[in-house]
Amino acid sequence: DSGVTQTPKHLITATGQRVTLRCSPRSGDLSVYWYQQSLDQGLQFLIHYYNGEERAKGNILERFSAQQFPDLHSELNLSSLELGDSALYFCASSVYGVSTIYFGEGSWLTVV
Amino acid sequence: DAKTTQPTSMDCAEGRAANLPCNHSTISGNEYVYWYRQIHSQGPQYIIHGLKNNETNEMASLIITEDRKSSTLILPHATLRDTAVYYCIVRVDYNQGGKLIFGQGTELSVKP
Repeated sequence: DSGVTQTPKHLITATGQRVTLRCSPRSGDLSVYWYQQSLDQGLQFLIHYYNGEERAKGNILERFSAQQFPDLHSELNLSSLELGDSALYFCASSVYGVSTIYFGEGSWLTVV
Repeated sequence: DAKTTQPTSMDCAEGRAANLPCNHSTISGNEYVYWYRQIHSQGPQYIIHGLKNNETNEMASLIITEDRKSSTLILPHATLRDTAVYYCIVRVDYNQGGKLIFGQGTELSVKP
């Protein structure tokens, strides 16, 4: 158990819908990272937040957005969902900088 | 883009040492080498990291060449539960939070 908690574990939704994935980082961690893993793309970095502020952005679609709240939990919002958005979405956290990054168990999103 | 090159797959006999190579010829002086593994769509699990000295922990050993252009992860006594995809990652952009950029990894199969 890494200490990073993600909910929901599984989610099935229809195309065009919007979903929110939630992440609670490990206690004391200020940084949250989001990754997407689909069968044909591998693990892709989406976005990084530190203490509520966006710090780095990767291959995140404009239909996706994220935020980190004052209590340090983070949410990844996915809208106008397409079949190709079906993937595992991982959240990870670290204290900051070179400290080790720990991953949650992921949220399985299936778009039908 | 990932800054590492790894073999696509490797086999290892149970109880033997598994030696997983990684090339990172463009690594910069302050960039760390990290190893993670992912067991069947679970969250990536941190194994070990290093800068230039060899490192050992309860899971594995990391050997980094003197020129830092390559490294080897050693699992001293592989078990069936070590079957996983192993990712060698050069961690970049510390000033921006040090995100991990995953490549394709090495699929290690430990066989009885």
